[in-house]
Amino acid sequence: RKEVEQDPGPFNVPEGATVAFNCTYSNSASQSFFWYRQDCRKEPKLLMSVYSSGNEDGRFTAQLNRASQYISLLIRDSKLSDSATYLCVVSTGTASKLTFGTGTRLQVTL
Amino acid sequence: DAEITQSPRHKITETGRQVTLACHQTWNHNNMFWYRQDLGHGLRLIHYSYGVQDTNKGEVSDGYSVSRSNTEDLPLTLESAASSQTSVYFCASSERGRAGTQYFGPGTRLTVL
Repeated sequence: RKEVEQDPGPFNVPEGATVAFNCTYSNSASQSFFWYRQDCRKEPKLLMSVYSSGNEDGRFTAQLNRASQYISLLIRDSKLSDSATYLCVVSTGTASKLTFGTGTRLQVTL
Repeated sequence: DAEITQSPRHKITETGRQVTLACHQTWNHNNMFWYRQDLGHGLRLIHYSYGVQDTNKGEVSDGYSVSRSNTEDLPLTLESAASSQTSVYFCASSERGRAGTQYFGPGTRLTVL
């Protein structure tokens, strides 16, 4: 079983739609959680951290459920520019090391 | 502006050759990482370093080596390139204690024939 699992998609949504991605992680000792965004053939970039209390950054909302070992990302009012692959990322043990999911691809269309 | 660069951006080599990929960061970060990214596997950690003279193996380190002689550079060497090492390689750096915020270089696309 992979340490971090994501639905690869693609999720095809119209502009303005709300879309949610989920991610599960297998190591209950995981301590920190993040979403990264990766555009086609580009490097990953940090989108946001994920906190137990849930957190929001503009149109993006991240949630963490430690009991179920489940992380989510909600994007409201999708824009064409949101089209990318979203990587679920977990830090376990040694704080500076990250484990990446394989990503969920989002395609926003007109 | 601070940045992280990789060179070359594209490389084609032959099986058995030694290849070195360069990574240079001007963030003055202590932590540096090398990943490879393949379809179906996502990003996998090859080697990492927490500072000068410190290097550690990641989950897919066989056939790769790194050395850290200064803060700015972490070159990745493929001792004897194999076709299974055809991949996109990303270098990243982060501040000590800021695990989640890794800054990635633009990547090197390596093809081993």
